[in-house]
Amino acid sequence: DQQVKQNSPSLSVQEGRISILNCDYTNSMFDYFLWYKKYPAEGPTFLISISSIKDKNEDGRFTVFLNKSAKHLSLHIVPSQPGDSAVYFCAARPLQGAQKLVFGQGTRLTINP
Amino acid sequence: GAVVSQHPSRVICKSGTSVKIECRSLDFQATTMFWYRQFPKQSLMLMATSNEGSKATYEQGVEKDKFLINHASLTLSTLTVTSAHPEDSSFYICSARPMTDTQYFGPGTRLTVL
Repeated sequence: DQQVKQNSPSLSVQEGRISILNCDYTNSMFDYFLWYKKYPAEGPTFLISISSIKDKNEDGRFTVFLNKSAKHLSLHIVPSQPGDSAVYFCAARPLQGAQKLVFGQGTRLTINP
Repeated sequence: GAVVSQHPSRVICKSGTSVKIECRSLDFQATTMFWYRQFPKQSLMLMATSNEGSKATYEQGVEKDKFLINHASLTLSTLTVTSAHPEDSSFYICSARPMTDTQYFGPGTRLTVL
């Protein structure tokens, strides 16, 4: 049972344009959401997070939007840069459960020059 | 801040041997650390939650006797893959959480069992 889903395995965006990565979840008990960026053979790097009491959080070029009624969140990167090319994972934390994170399958983002 | 290290970064071993992987939180204390495994082109799968001073909590399907976890101090957790076999070859990643809601990940360890 995939509780966190990233339905797009890959995404290709032109440099300078906006990249939008999507994530859906099924468990209404998730209360905290995070986005991580991962390069091959490296651990994930934390990017940005959002609590369920908010619908938007912004940090520089990265903005995360949360739509609780749709159980959907998205990560916007603008403007996209070549260094943004990586695999992006969304993760969710249940309200209960010792801070365990549930990860989506990841979306490979490629920024084309 | 919030740096997590892992050692070794890469290890190759013979089938039947045991391998120990260390995870350290360098600038914070972590009562809880997490061990994940990632297969090629797949998501991160939580293996177990490591609790300082007590037994680890394993996820369903993870063999406790095969993947031994010890959380000896507030800054160190170890994962030992016992009697390793080629199917244990994978990328193992640990994470730890300071007094915030965010988990920070180590750089990972690539295990190859011949």
